[in-house]
Amino acid sequence: DTAVSQTPKYLVTQMGNDKSIKCEQNLGHDTMYWYKQDSKKFLKIMFSYNNKELIINETVPNRFSPKSPDKAHLNLHINSLELGDSAVYFCASSQRIGREKLFFGSGTQLSVL
Amino acid sequence: GNSVTQMEGPVTLSEEAFLTINCTYTATGYPSLFWYVQYPGEGLQLLLKATKADDKGSNKGFEATYRKETTSFHLEKGSVQVSDSAVYFCALSDSSNNNDMRFGAGTRLTVKP
Repeated sequence: DTAVSQTPKYLVTQMGNDKSIKCEQNLGHDTMYWYKQDSKKFLKIMFSYNNKELIINETVPNRFSPKSPDKAHLNLHINSLELGDSAVYFCASSQRIGREKLFFGSGTQLSVL
Repeated sequence: GNSVTQMEGPVTLSEEAFLTINCTYTATGYPSLFWYVQYPGEGLQLLLKATKADDKGSNKGFEATYRKETTSFHLEKGSVQVSDSAVYFCALSDSSNNNDMRFGAGTRLTVKP
């Protein structure tokens, strides 16, 4: 069983479209995250949720909207996609917020044409 | 704010060579320090961690010591293998900054037979 699973693995779409990436963790963790990794491998946190509540919301365009229906799921919806949104998006979870080990999904490669 | 700086890559070594990847940090509190590894096409995995000064984290032959006096957490391995080829990320998590995990820019290591 995959601990943190995200879908789809690859997403190719046109500018201006709206898309969603789904993430689920079966570890019973309280905290989930979205990270963006650019083409130079730089990894930047976007959001974190603890028990379905938004904890961290970095400077991210409001076209990006996370949604956590329950603590095992954290989905990322992106409106009006732009070329600069092309990146690999990683979902992660940790047992609780704090100095905890992160468990990462295998990433979603988003290409905006 | 908190930040992590690690040596720029790429690093190319021959099998059985000694590896050092430098990492220094800036933090307002007392962070925990981590090394994560990303193999091609996968998400990040925790390699090792240290939670307080003078702690040594170790795993799979890799080691790093938390040095408060030099604010460093350098990664070392005595004899690298081809299978160690990956991108390595230094990271910190600090309770004074919402506990979010801050990553360095990543260092790509290629080990040649």
